Amino acid sequence: AQSVTQPDIHITVSEGASLELRCNYSYGATPYLFWYVQSPGQGLQLLLKYFSGDTLVQGIKGFEAEFKRSQSSFNLRKPSVHWSDAAEYFCAVGASGTYKYIFGTGTRLKVLA
Amino acid sequence: NAGVTQTPKFQVLKTGQSMTLQCAQDMNHEYMSWYRQDPGMGLRLIHYSVGAGITDQGEVPNGYNVSRSTTEDFPLRLLSAAPSQTSVYFCASSQGQGGYSNQPQHFGDGTRLSIL
Repeated sequence: AQSVTQPDIHITVSEGASLELRCNYSYGATPYLFWYVQSPGQGLQLLLKYFSGDTLVQGIKGFEAEFKRSQSSFNLRKPSVHWSDAAEYFCAVGASGTYKYIFGTGTRLKVLA
Repeated sequence: NAGVTQTPKFQVLKTGQSMTLQCAQDMNHEYMSWYRQDPGMGLRLIHYSVGAGITDQGEVPNGYNVSRSTTEDFPLRLLSAAPSQTSVYFCASSQGQGGYSNQPQHFGDGTRLSIL
C-alpha cells in the first residue's frame, strides 16, 4: 500500500537560513508527488508538483523539490527562509490511475527572527 | 474566483445531533473530496466523488454520508455526531482527466467542528 512519511514533526530555523523538509514515500510505480502549505486557519495551497521528467521542480514562493527515485524521497527546499514561511507543510502522493491521494502527517515550520 | 467555499467555518454540536457541512466550487471540477484533519494524523479521506451522481468511500467513511446532485456542490452529512468526529474538515476539488490523482487539489478554508 502506498504511504507517505514526513519524519520531522517540527522544524525551527532562523530567518535567512536554508530549509529542507523531508518526505519519503512508498509506492510501487512512479507516483505523482505534491507539496502543500497550510497557514493557520487556512486550507492547503499547492507549492509544487512532480509527475515525470526533470527531477528538480520549482514551485511558488521560492520553493523547490527534488525527486530521488533511489531514495524514495521528495524533499522540499528553500535557500533562504522568510518569516512568512512559518506554516505547516504537507507532502502528498497520488497513485496513478486512481482517485486517491495520501497525505503525510505534516511538518510544522517555525521561523525565528 | 471564489474557488472552493465551505460553510460554516465553525460549529459546535451536541452528541447525537446531525448536521450538514456545505461545500461548493465554481471551477467546474469533476472531482471533489472531503478530508478530516486531526493533530499528528495529516489529512484522511472521508468520501470522494468523480462527478454528479457518483460517490465512493475513502479511508474513514463511517458516520458520514455524501451525495453529489450537481457538479458544484458536495455536502457532507454527519448522521449522529460523536465526540470522535471533533475535527477540522476540508473540502477539495480538482480537474479530472483519467487518473485523477495526477491533478493538484484546490482546498476550502475548512470547517472547525466540535462535538460535546
